Amino acid sequence: GAVVSQHPSWVICKSGTSVKIECRSLDFQATTMFWYRQFPKQSLMLMATSNEGSKATYEQGVEKDKFLINHASLTLSTLTVTSAHPEDSSFYICSAIRLAGGVGNEQFFGPGTRLTVL
Amino acid sequence: SQKIEQNSEALNIQEGKTATLTCNYTNYSPAYLQWYRQDPGRGPVFLLLIRENEKEKRKERLKVTFDTTLKQSLFHITASQPADSATYLCALSLSGGGADGLTFGKGTHLIIQP
Repeated sequence: GAVVSQHPSWVICKSGTSVKIECRSLDFQATTMFWYRQFPKQSLMLMATSNEGSKATYEQGVEKDKFLINHASLTLSTLTVTSAHPEDSSFYICSAIRLAGGVGNEQFFGPGTRLTVL
Repeated sequence: SQKIEQNSEALNIQEGKTATLTCNYTNYSPAYLQWYRQDPGRGPVFLLLIRENEKEKRKERLKVTFDTTLKQSLFHITASQPADSATYLCALSLSGGGADGLTFGKGTHLIIQP
């Protein structure tokens, strides 16, 4: 199967600090990775689309200067929450599409990262 | 505005019965629709994908239908088991390009009672 990992699985940080979350596709190459955010009892909300070697595309309402995305290789994308505040506390989940998968690709999701900002 | 609605927040079904979950959408013309399972504190796990030109898809005890006229998908779990208890999410993709993010419903929390 296709496995996507995230690190860390949970993180607690102080307000004003930055936090980096890694998303890796372990056994396949991913042309495209996505970052989602999920608040308690809410649906997953797409934050941004990350393509290897190019700038990320952000959804409306998501601040690109606050949520920095880097997709440096076909197996790694990182999300950095800069100057985190308590309202950024959420469950961050990444997903990846397998290279050359064709139309209607299955997205493989990571296990998520629980961010708590104090 | 565009909306995805899943029939209920929670659904209680007796073990062995068929669980039917509903996903309705408005103001979308999705190229395909997907169903995922999510357990507490975990990322979603892909179950089934159905394209706009397909009426029905099956996988083991799972069946998905897709009615683009009604703008509705039904997700069935036959011979349900307590291990099927989880939150089930439907998700839409607007384009057929294959590399776009998904729009998710809030999910239905399914509880299978022994």
